[in-house]
Amino acid sequence: GENVEQHPSTLSVQEGDSAVIKCTYSDSASNYFPWYKQELGKRPQLIIDIRSNVGEKKDQRIAVTLNKTAKHFSLHITETQPEDSAVYFCAASRQGGSEKLVFGKGTKLTVNP
Amino acid sequence: SQTIHQWPATLVQPVGSPLSLECTVEGTSNPNLYWYRQAAGRGLQLLFYSVGIGQISSEVPQNLSASRPQDRQFILSSKKLLLSDSGFYLCAWSSGRGSYEQYFGPGTRLTVT
Repeated sequence: GENVEQHPSTLSVQEGDSAVIKCTYSDSASNYFPWYKQELGKRPQLIIDIRSNVGEKKDQRIAVTLNKTAKHFSLHITETQPEDSAVYFCAASRQGGSEKLVFGKGTKLTVNP
Repeated sequence: SQTIHQWPATLVQPVGSPLSLECTVEGTSNPNLYWYRQAAGRGLQLLFYSVGIGQISSEVPQNLSASRPQDRQFILSSKKLLLSDSGFYLCAWSSGRGSYEQYFGPGTRLTVT
């Protein structure tokens, strides 16, 4: 089955700097890669996703890149702000009826003012 | 628009007692439904998913069961809780029509004492 590895497990940056979180997946049939942000005690929120037919997607300060050949994808946050502090999860899913996601173990991002 | 509800929000139960957590989705029909568990400071573990009424798939053999008695209702149960069942239980839905996006409910925080 699918396995998703996520790095780093913790990341600390200064406000205004960029943050990059990387994930690798094992199943070459996976074709959907979302990123979730989870604030303390809250539900995970979908912040951006990418499908295997594109290499990059941007939404204001966040972007996701996908390298299908290498089977890895990354989340990029620019001009970080203290409210970006949270745990970020990557996930992968393959086409099929269940659409179930396999999650990475998460990255705790701290943005220091 | 679609809304997902979970109750109760918090629950404290003694070891050996039964459990019933409920999840309902509004504003969509025939969704895929999912139950996840998140231990404190940990990642998201998929427990069960359902692609239709009465159709339940188990991802991890354990002390829990799931049922889907109605199209937009998903129930997580246990006959006898263990200490290790403590955690944050999250229900999620997706449209099941190839859109893949998965959205989480507010969660139930369960403490087994």
